[in-house]
Amino acid sequence: GAVVSQHPSWVICKSGTSVKIECRSLDFQATTMFWYRQFPKQSLMLMATSNEGSKATYEQGVEKDKFLINHASLTLSTLTVTSAHPEDSSFYICSATSMGFYGYTFGSGTRLTVV
Amino acid sequence: QKEVEQNSGPLSVPEGAIASLNCTYSDRGSQSFFWYRQYSGKSPELIMFIYSNGDKEDGRFTAQLNKASQYVSLLIRDSQPSDSATYLCAVNRGNFGNEKLTFGTGTRLTIIP
Repeated sequence: GAVVSQHPSWVICKSGTSVKIECRSLDFQATTMFWYRQFPKQSLMLMATSNEGSKATYEQGVEKDKFLINHASLTLSTLTVTSAHPEDSSFYICSATSMGFYGYTFGSGTRLTVV
Repeated sequence: QKEVEQNSGPLSVPEGAIASLNCTYSDRGSQSFFWYRQYSGKSPELIMFIYSNGDKEDGRFTAQLNKASQYVSLLIRDSQPSDSATYLCAVNRGNFGNEKLTFGTGTRLTIIP
């Protein structure tokens, strides 16, 4: 149990375009979902926390107008990277949790390359 | 001071030996603690969690928690090459069962055959 699906697993896009990443909890209802970014050889950096039906809470330094997060249901959250630039190239990982869960369940990650 | 600190490594351990990974945290009110394993290019996977002082064993893994000294460790017995990965320590800033995890930078472990 506690499976989180993330798509796509990798994407290449042109500079200036937008990319949407989906995160789904397959067998549980996620009360909270988190979006992380990880650069090579660095740790996970929390970008934002989202609760179903509420606006996402962004960490300091993360541009909310650039990284749009939608958590429309208890099983789906999306991250849209708008007007992507090469410096946005990174590994984006979502995770989900629910009341009574121990720890987070992570999605498989999305490797974004902006050219 | 970082909220969660780990030695970045790399830590090299011979196959069959015990690997010891350490983590310290700054928030004395932290309630629960997690160890994740992350293979290169993959997302983290939960190994185990601990919330009481002392040791907790699960197979070849043992987590140790000392709240007074604010450290948590992970021991891996009979290390295997497949244990080579980055190990992330995470500390819960929220209530137990409703975690808000803060991650350390990870320790890269290499098991030498």
